[in-house]
Amino acid sequence: NAGVTQTPKFRVLKTGQSMTLLCAQDMNHEYMYWYRQDPGMGLRLIHYSVGEGTTAKGEVPDGYNVSRLKKQNFLLGLESAAPSQTSVYFCASSYSRRSAAYEQYFGPGTRLTVT
Amino acid sequence: RKEVEQDPGPFNVPEGATVAFNCTYSNSASQSFFWYRQDCRKEPKLLMSVYSSGNEDGRFTAQLNRASQYISLLIRDSKLSDSATYLCVVNPKAGTASKLTFGTGTRLQVTL
Repeated sequence: NAGVTQTPKFRVLKTGQSMTLLCAQDMNHEYMYWYRQDPGMGLRLIHYSVGEGTTAKGEVPDGYNVSRLKKQNFLLGLESAAPSQTSVYFCASSYSRRSAAYEQYFGPGTRLTVT
Repeated sequence: RKEVEQDPGPFNVPEGATVAFNCTYSNSASQSFFWYRQDCRKEPKLLMSVYSSGNEDGRFTAQLNRASQYISLLIRDSKLSDSATYLCVVNPKAGTASKLTFGTGTRLQVTL
C-alpha cells in the first residue's frame, strides 16, 4: 500500500497562475482533507470531503476549490495564486465514524511558493 | 483564546531524561484527543490517542483531564530519535467526527 500520495512535491508559481494539487489514497477511506501548514499557525483545514462527489468548506477555504470525482482522489485547485498561499499543503484521509474521530493519515506534503 | 494551545518550546533535554508536554483546549464538548508527531519537513503521524482513563505505549504516557481541559504527554528515557515536533490534536465539536483541530506543536530536541 502506498497510503496517501501527493503530486507535485514542490512547485513555484507566479502570482495569478493556476494549478491543481492531486491527492490519492489506496486505503478505501471515505473522508479526505486538505490542510495548509504555516509557521506558528499549525495545520488549518481548507476543504474536506466525506465521500465521493461531496465536498465542504473548512477553516480557510477562500481562494481554493476542490473536487472528489473518485473516492480515491481529492483535488485542490488554486485558480489565481497569491503570495499569501505560499505554504506547505498536506492531504489526509481517514475512515468514517459518527461518534468519534479516527486517525488521519497524511501525505508527504506539497511545498508551494508563490512569487 | 486559541482552540488548542501548546507551549512551542523548544524543549532541549539530554538523552535519558523524562520530559512532559501539556496542551489546553477551549471547547469543553470536545470528544477525541490525540498526539501526533511531526519530524522536520515531514508529514504528521499519529503517536497515540488519549483516553479518559489515560494510556501508555512503551515510554509514552498520555493523560486527559476533562475538568481542567488539558492533555499531557510524558516521554520517559528520551532517545535522540524522539526529537520532533509533537502536535496536540482535538476533535472539538460533537457530531463533526471528521474535523480535527491541531495545536501549533511543541518542539523537542534530545541531545547527547
